[in-house]
Amino acid sequence: GNSVTQMEGPVTLSEEAFLTINCTYTATGYPSLFWYVQYPGEGLQLLLKATKADDKGSNKGFEATYRKETTSFHLEKGSVQVSDSAVYFCALRRRSQAGTALIFGKGTTLSVSS
Amino acid sequence: GAGVSQSPRYKVAKRGQDVALRCDPISGHVSLFWYQQALGQGPEFLTYFQNEAQLDKSGLPSDRFFAERPEGSVSTLKIQRTQQEDSAVYLCASSQGGVAGSSTDTQYFGPGTRLTVL
Repeated sequence: GNSVTQMEGPVTLSEEAFLTINCTYTATGYPSLFWYVQYPGEGLQLLLKATKADDKGSNKGFEATYRKETTSFHLEKGSVQVSDSAVYFCALRRRSQAGTALIFGKGTTLSVSS
Repeated sequence: GAGVSQSPRYKVAKRGQDVALRCDPISGHVSLFWYQQALGQGPEFLTYFQNEAQLDKSGLPSDRFFAERPEGSVSTLKIQRTQQEDSAVYLCASSQGGVAGSSTDTQYFGPGTRLTVL
């Protein structure tokens, strides 16, 4: 079946440190891949997405590359800020059906201190 | 423009009570999803509507859970005879939908309803 595995947190970093949150997936076919972010007290927001192999999604300094050969979609940011503290969710959706639900990982909590 | 809204934001119920959770999707969005997010976990799919048609309810955990979207806009998730294990955040998401395979079909989430069953 389809599933997403992401590194367990919490991840604690100092401001301006480099961030990597690992995400791997299992899926039939060719899924679309997503990173969602949940800031404290707020709803899930789409951070970035990639819809085919070798695509790179990017937003707000975050990047992730769709790696079919390693079934991975790791999230990276070169210099984190305190405002990046949130819970990050990796997710997949089967590209063939617009109505197909997202399948999420368990989430990784990021805490950035100044 | 308004995003997805949900009400109430918080609900406390005694075990055995019935509850109704409301979702107002983005205007014009065809697809609507309900997810359940337990504490410390990622959201899990409950059910999916395309307009007023409930096309997938495979994620509903029991027959105590019922969802409807009678006019293809507002949706209600109802839980009958609530149990403690129903305590979770219930998320609603909508997307433009309507075009199978569209890579632009992004799901937009509401703030959720936190249900606590005592």
